[in-house]
Amino acid sequence: EAQVTQNPRYLITVTGKKLTVTCSQNMNHEYMSWYRQDPGLGLRQIYYSMNVEVTDKGDVPEGYKVSRKEKRNFPLILESPSPNQTSLYFCASSLWGGEGANVLTFGAGSRLTVL
Amino acid sequence: AQKVTQAQTEISVVEKEDVTLDCVYETRDTTYYLFWYKQPPSGELVFLIRRNSFDEQNEISGRYSWNFQKSTSSFNFTITASQVVDSAVYFCAPRDNYGQNFVFGPGTRLSVLP
Repeated sequence: EAQVTQNPRYLITVTGKKLTVTCSQNMNHEYMSWYRQDPGLGLRQIYYSMNVEVTDKGDVPEGYKVSRKEKRNFPLILESPSPNQTSLYFCASSLWGGEGANVLTFGAGSRLTVL
Repeated sequence: AQKVTQAQTEISVVEKEDVTLDCVYETRDTTYYLFWYKQPPSGELVFLIRRNSFDEQNEISGRYSWNFQKSTSSFNFTITASQVVDSAVYFCAPRDNYGQNFVFGPGTRLSVLP
């Protein structure tokens, strides 16, 4: 089944404790991105990647890191989480050309709470 | 930079009513894509439609229809004969042709009451 898998789905952590949210897709998509969803603010893009070793900042990158060492994986790293990073996070991927291009497939979401 | 306005924060309708969700966007590009996504109470995000700015024909898919007006930068979404299963948050999202990031609107929460 074509899908985007992100883990963990739920996480409660404490301020300053590094964590990684993994994201993996099995559709050979070039484009991958991370969003956070907060009430009243919709989805805001954190980082995106056009292909392996190509990443760029979205609208709210502060406090986050990403890497794209393999085409299928795009982990989101919070080096020193703070309470304002408590949010619902979504990973998404898409083709970047041809039929179906730019149609984002989303993961199920990861709800992160930073105490 | 792109900007999206979904002026209706929440809408409640009774089942079988028609409802229109508004989306107004700003983009610096002459060519771009427009998307609508649905987020039901279960939380997943589901793709509904993609339109290219070259194509101004309105589109209908079952009970769903979209009205694209390039002159007013609007891409409104109408649900005809709404059903309880249509209850969700709906997001409008433009992407310019040369940019690499998608911008999502704040969403409209639609509640369809039985």
